[in-house]
Amino acid sequence: DTGVSQDPRHKITKRGQNVTFRCDPISEHNRLYWYRQTLGQGPEFLTYFQNEAQLEKSRLLSDRFSAERPKGSFSTLEIQRTEQGDSAMYLCASSLLGGGHTDTQYFGPGTRLTVL
Amino acid sequence: GENVEQHPSTLSVQEGDSAVIKCTYSDSASNYFPWYKQELGKGPQLIIDIRSNVGEKKDQRIAVTLNKTAKHFSLHITETQPEDSAVYFCAASSGDDKIIFGKGTRLHILP
Repeated sequence: DTGVSQDPRHKITKRGQNVTFRCDPISEHNRLYWYRQTLGQGPEFLTYFQNEAQLEKSRLLSDRFSAERPKGSFSTLEIQRTEQGDSAMYLCASSLLGGGHTDTQYFGPGTRLTVL
Repeated sequence: GENVEQHPSTLSVQEGDSAVIKCTYSDSASNYFPWYKQELGKGPQLIIDIRSNVGEKKDQRIAVTLNKTAKHFSLHITETQPEDSAVYFCAASSGDDKIIFGKGTRLHILP
């Protein structure tokens, strides 16, 4: 399967703990996005990378959140000192800027985070 | 910023009938309108998209229409089947690659 993959698929943690999620984009896609989806809502943009550069961050991304894409391939999203309000599905998507399907974003299966 | 409104929030149709989901957007600079289908426990899957230089696009049983003047776009599914049951999201983008999603429509196909 050459689609977007995310790990882990599920994460249960206690309030105050740190968590880290990983996203592997479609091979050769140069843009990678993180979204958050809560129950009954559409995905909300958090941040995105073009290659290794983080180009935009949403105001939803508090100081406790940090994302990296060190080599322009996979990305990690870390949440420090988790709060119950962080419980959500964290989705990753990738796209190919300048390719035949510019702007088309392909999503991974998501990581569902539950903070107790 | 862009705001996307989607309705209805829930839609039930008899198998074989057509389903229509409607969306409006606020930013006249938006030029890309994808539709995603999301099944339980899975990520959104792109089913069709349309760009602002086109008024209508079809792919088998799925069609999307765009009215740029009114800032409306719609998804039409014909000859609905049980596997069409899912949550559908419309979205809009103004070319900065940030996609703004609607709140979704839960589609139930009744036997």
